[in-house]
Amino acid sequence: DTGVSQDPRHKITKRGQNVTFRCDPISEHNRLYWYRQTLGQGPEFLTYFQNEAQLEKSRLLSDRFSAERPKGSFSTLEIQRTEQGDSAMYLCASSPLGTGGDQPQHFGDGTRLSIL
Amino acid sequence: SQQGEEDPQALSIQEGENATMNCSYKTSINNLQWYRQNSGRGLVHLILIRSNEREKHSGRLRVTLDTSKKSSSLLITASRAADTASYFCATGSPRAGSYQLTFGKGTKLSVIP
Repeated sequence: DTGVSQDPRHKITKRGQNVTFRCDPISEHNRLYWYRQTLGQGPEFLTYFQNEAQLEKSRLLSDRFSAERPKGSFSTLEIQRTEQGDSAMYLCASSPLGTGGDQPQHFGDGTRLSIL
Repeated sequence: SQQGEEDPQALSIQEGENATMNCSYKTSINNLQWYRQNSGRGLVHLILIRSNEREKHSGRLRVTLDTSKKSSSLLITASRAADTASYFCATGSPRAGSYQLTFGKGTKLSVIP
């Protein structure tokens, strides 16, 4: 169990640029989640995959955000035309399949995005 | 949107003392989980309690759940400096096919050696 890995750890970019983050979940985990966390707040859910299928999306995920999980392994989160308000920590988590949706989620250390 | 509200927002105690954090939530839940987050790091799962359970223990952690009051508490006994972190409660949705967690704003715990 090597844990959830996120890359890069930090990203600084100018407003209007596109950014892409990568998440490698724990290998045997079917479920993968993206959350966003701003300073002093708890994480907010963005989207969730089961294998390669994106099954749930938050209304926070505007049309500038897109997430993929090709082949049900790693996932990418892209933000187009970044805005100041996109500055946050982007967290990825994974969990195994389970019944009742009551599996603990295993988090990576996140990608901190700063928009200049 | 935030589902849970942790109380207090910040807590400072001496090493060896017990720390109690409370969480209130608004809608029905499938389960409630507690996570710890060290500064600049991801979240670490501590304990999960299902909606039909009232109390759960794990090492120095004790969690209670009162679904009638829509509240939970996390007790850390015999605290250590290494327990210094932010603690979040998170609720799982009872909606079929939904696996998202809804987090509170957290309690920042400082344990003074």
